[in-house]
Amino acid sequence: DTAVSQTPKYLVTQMGNDKSIKCEQNLGHDTMYWYKQDSKKFLKIMFSYNNKELIINETVPNRFSPKSPDKAHLNLHINSLELGDSAVYFCASSQDGPGQGMYGYTFGSGTRLTVV
Amino acid sequence: AQTVTQSQPEMSVQEAETVTLSCTYDTSESNYYLFWYKQPPSRQMILVIRQEAYKQQNATENRFSVNFQKAAKSFSLKISDSQLGDTAMYFCAFMNLGPGGSEKLVFGKGTKLTVNP
Repeated sequence: DTAVSQTPKYLVTQMGNDKSIKCEQNLGHDTMYWYKQDSKKFLKIMFSYNNKELIINETVPNRFSPKSPDKAHLNLHINSLELGDSAVYFCASSQDGPGQGMYGYTFGSGTRLTVV
Repeated sequence: AQTVTQSQPEMSVQEAETVTLSCTYDTSESNYYLFWYKQPPSRQMILVIRQEAYKQQNATENRFSVNFQKAAKSFSLKISDSQLGDTAMYFCAFMNLGPGGSEKLVFGKGTKLTVNP
């Protein structure tokens, strides 16, 4: 199946731990994103990568570090987890090129992170 | 910066009836894309319908249609013949045009729609 896949789907961890969320897309897209959905369901962009290059870096604590080993993968590493990091994190991808933006993003199914 | 406003946090509709979800946005750009995404309880983000700003004709996808008023910066979603499976959060989203990776989707805060039997 062509898709954006994230692992794990659920992650429960203690404050202060370090964790990673992995994302892979097999759609051949050039750009990948991380979004955070808070408890009120608000979705906000965190990062975007285009062909492994960081393009968008919103105001995110530097405890969050994205890594893109190739254009099909974008992982999110979080250091020293805090209670406020609890949220659903979505990975997404899109294709570049004239007119391609009209297709929007393809989203992964999300990772629910709970920090206790 | 672009902003997207959805003024209806929650709405409900009876099965088979029609409902309209409101969305307004703010931008100084003349060309952009607008989207409605659906997020059912499964959490998956599903693209419902899209609109290119340079097209005057309103987009339609089966039971879903939009009313795009560019001058008013309004982009409402109409769902006809509502079905129980339409129960979900609906997000309006704006995308600017730009070089690769810079075309970010900006979302509204969502409208929770409940379809009642």
